[in-house]
Amino acid sequence: AQSVTQLDSQVPVFEEAPVELRCNYSSSVSVYLFWYVQYPNQGLQLLLKYLSGSTLVKGINGFEAEFNKSQTSFHLRKPSVHISDTAEYFCAALTTDSWGKFQFGAGTQVVVTP
Amino acid sequence: KAGVTQTPRYLIKTRGQQVTLSCSPISGHRSVSWYQQTPGQGLQFLFEYFSETQRNKGNFPGRFSGRQFSNSRSEMNVSTLELGDSALYLCASSLKGTGGSGANVLTFGAGSRLTVL
Repeated sequence: AQSVTQLDSQVPVFEEAPVELRCNYSSSVSVYLFWYVQYPNQGLQLLLKYLSGSTLVKGINGFEAEFNKSQTSFHLRKPSVHISDTAEYFCAALTTDSWGKFQFGAGTQVVVTP
Repeated sequence: KAGVTQTPRYLIKTRGQQVTLSCSPISGHRSVSWYQQTPGQGLQFLFEYFSETQRNKGNFPGRFSGRQFSNSRSEMNVSTLELGDSALYLCASSLKGTGGSGANVLTFGAGSRLTVL
């Protein structure tokens, strides 16, 4: 069985400050990892994905994440946030033996203040 | 190109009624997945369809069902609605389904927000 844990339910951050959202996963088989963002009253939008290859993944809007197999982590970072980054962020995993069944973390609400 | 379209966006039903939600995937996408999102349970997988076949199913009661048509459009149905079915129902599509030897990214629709009174 696989599971995804997002270690922070809410992260307050000041505008132009860096932010890190933590995600840990557990799986007995290989996984693909994703970060999605959800703005109010909208669906989920893909920020970035790790399928294979380089462990440092760059995504949209200045976000990046690093896959760490030994620590089973996939933390999301942004060096300088904007007010518009206020949203909920979801880490998700998909095992290589699964069909369409993404396992999502509980989400991290990022609140950016001036 | 057009994204994933879900209809209706909002609906209100009463306990015991049934509801049908529709999802039109991105043109060319053959896989459609459905998720339920609630504040208490987060995002939970309902089912996935590919070429009109259900390939995977989550842990939901039989009141939740779905189907996919030959044009890849999908519907999900919830019968005998309960208060706990109030949620945002999200549909996502991908080119050829996820898993296997490679992963395909899910593109989500805006969701259908169901309120059960």
